Amino acid sequence: DQQVKQNSPSLSVQEGRISILNCDYTNSMFDYFLWYKKYPAEGPTFLISISSIKDKNEDGRFTVFLNKSAKHLSLHIVPSQPGDSAVYFCAATSGGGADGLTFGKGTHLIIQP
Amino acid sequence: EADIYQTPRYLVIGTGKKITLECSQTMGHDKMYWYQQDPGMELHLIHYSYGVNSTEKGDLSSESTVSRIRTEHFPLTLESARPSHTSQYLCASSEWGKGVGTDTQYFGPGTRLTVL
Repeated sequence: DQQVKQNSPSLSVQEGRISILNCDYTNSMFDYFLWYKKYPAEGPTFLISISSIKDKNEDGRFTVFLNKSAKHLSLHIVPSQPGDSAVYFCAATSGGGADGLTFGKGTHLIIQP
Repeated sequence: EADIYQTPRYLVIGTGKKITLECSQTMGHDKMYWYQQDPGMELHLIHYSYGVNSTEKGDLSSESTVSRIRTEHFPLTLESARPSHTSQYLCASSEWGKGVGTDTQYFGPGTRLTVL
């Protein structure tokens, strides 16, 4: 059973608008959440993270929101740019990352001109 | 910026060959990881290491083996490659256990393996 779920395989957004990528998790032991961006045939690039003691973290155009009661997090990208077109992975871990990261299947974000 | 390297980037090899995928990091990170990813799917953890002489199996069963003789080096070996091993292999590292945020894993560029 998937512990981290990204239910939208793809998302198309116009350049300049806001992109919102969603992620749900089932394991209440997760205490650290990360978003990665990945291009084909390359490794994931770390974007932003959030600890379970916070509900929001912002870094430039990227903001991650965490709703622990709903076991839901989202990544907002404002404004969206053509270079943002990639696959975005949500990941989670617990206990200091002792067992590695658990990943979702990713959402392919397409920024249209 | 993370400094983690993987070679080769692409490898096409015949069935039955022994292969070693190299991974090195220059950040002095204690923890290192190997993930496997098929197209359109999530990354699955196959091996990890807490430090020198430590190796553990991940969530996804794998016929590969790993070693950690030096902090900076974490190679993955397949003794006899098969078509079912065709995948992308991603190496990562993290500081771990030194406070919030040190769980962040930094990835190498990956090795795309094709076994004919």
